[in-house]
Amino acid sequence: KNQVEQSPQSLIILEGKNCTLQCNYTVSPFSNLRWYKQDTGRGPVSLTIMTFSENTKSNGRYTATLDADTKQSSLHITASQLSDSASYICVVSDSLFSGGYNKLIFGAGTRLAVHP
Amino acid sequence: NAGVTQTPKFQVLKTGQSMTLQCAQDMNHEYMSWYRQDPGMGLRLIHYSVGAGITDQGEVPNGYNVSRSTTEDFPLRLLSAAPSQTSVYFCASSPRTYEQYFGPGTRLTVT
Repeated sequence: KNQVEQSPQSLIILEGKNCTLQCNYTVSPFSNLRWYKQDTGRGPVSLTIMTFSENTKSNGRYTATLDADTKQSSLHITASQLSDSASYICVVSDSLFSGGYNKLIFGAGTRLAVHP
Repeated sequence: NAGVTQTPKFQVLKTGQSMTLQCAQDMNHEYMSWYRQDPGMGLRLIHYSVGAGITDQGEVPNGYNVSRSTTEDFPLRLLSAAPSQTSVYFCASSPRTYEQYFGPGTRLTVT
């Protein structure tokens, strides 16, 4: 069964510190992996999208890595800010993009709290 | 652009009542989807559409209907609400690329 598992479930860090969130997936065939940020009471917002051939992608202080061999991804947040407090969701697509609809498998998310 | 809009933001229903959750996008995206988000679980796909007049079932379609008469609108209908449908519902739209844009969500409680 296609699954996406994230760890830890929740994390508390101090402002200015770095952190790394983990994502393991058992999705086949693999098309792409995305990281979303979801603020409380809001919809998810895309941070990065990586295809099979990409192993690192950055978006400001967010850097995502992908190891397609081990089916693992991580999201590294550098110099955290209070506004980074949110849920971070790992999402994997199991459909090869051919002009058709990409069905997505969502992880349950990691809830990050950044304290001053 | 307003992006993806959803109404209402909050709704309380009694068991057995019906209602329609509205979703609209102004980005001329072909694809639209409905998801539900429950505590401790990832978002799950309810129904999706690849264009006006074309819809298909997702992972958890039972108890929900959709239609897509225009590119802009993709309403989700609850036929006979049940407590198990208490959830937060998200609508999303996407062009023919990987990117997907989510609405702000509708928080539904069924008593």
